[in-house]
Amino acid sequence: AQSVTQLDSHVSVSEGTPVLLRCNYSSSYSPSLFWYVQHPNKGLQLLLKYTSAATLVKGINGFEAEFKKSETSFHLTKPSAHMSDAAEYFCVVTKGTGGFKTIFGAGTRLFVKA
Amino acid sequence: DTAVSQTPKYLVTQMGNDKSIKCEQNLGHDTMYWYKQDSKKFLKIMFSYNNKELIINETVPNRFSPKSPDKAHLNLHINSLELGDSAVYFCASSPLDSGNTQYFGPGTRLTVL
Repeated sequence: AQSVTQLDSHVSVSEGTPVLLRCNYSSSYSPSLFWYVQHPNKGLQLLLKYTSAATLVKGINGFEAEFKKSETSFHLTKPSAHMSDAAEYFCVVTKGTGGFKTIFGAGTRLFVKA
Repeated sequence: DTAVSQTPKYLVTQMGNDKSIKCEQNLGHDTMYWYKQDSKKFLKIMFSYNNKELIINETVPNRFSPKSPDKAHLNLHINSLELGDSAVYFCASSPLDSGNTQYFGPGTRLTVL
């Protein structure tokens, strides 16, 4: 069985400060891991993905995530938050290809203060 | 050009009615999905279609039925709508060889009165 836990339901940062959104996963095999972002009243956009290549994954808009097997974590980071980063972020774990099993985390709402 | 599109964007209807939501993707992907996002933003996969075959059928009520007339379309039909069906429904698609990267539509907000 596989699962994903986003450790914070809300994160608040000031503009220009670092962002850390935490995600832990559970999987009995090598999973594929993703981060998606959802802006208010919008669909989901892929930020980045890990599929057993490099453990440090760079995504769009300056985000990156590091796959740490020993800690079963896939935390999302960004060095400097921008107001436009305010959104809901979802960590996702999936098994195999073709969409056989996809589990979304509960989401982390990121607030960015001016 | 829109990659994954859904219609309608908003749908307001009465309890007991039957409604459909349409989804189309022009990416040439092999697999399409339907997700339900509740008021707390929790996303749950409902269905997945690969080459016209249902390969995931989560424990959703049988009032919900996905219909795929061709590889580019996966429509969601809902019978006897209930208040609890109110949610945002997202369609998505993915190719087989992408590590299951899914591309999402803009969502359909369903409100059942």
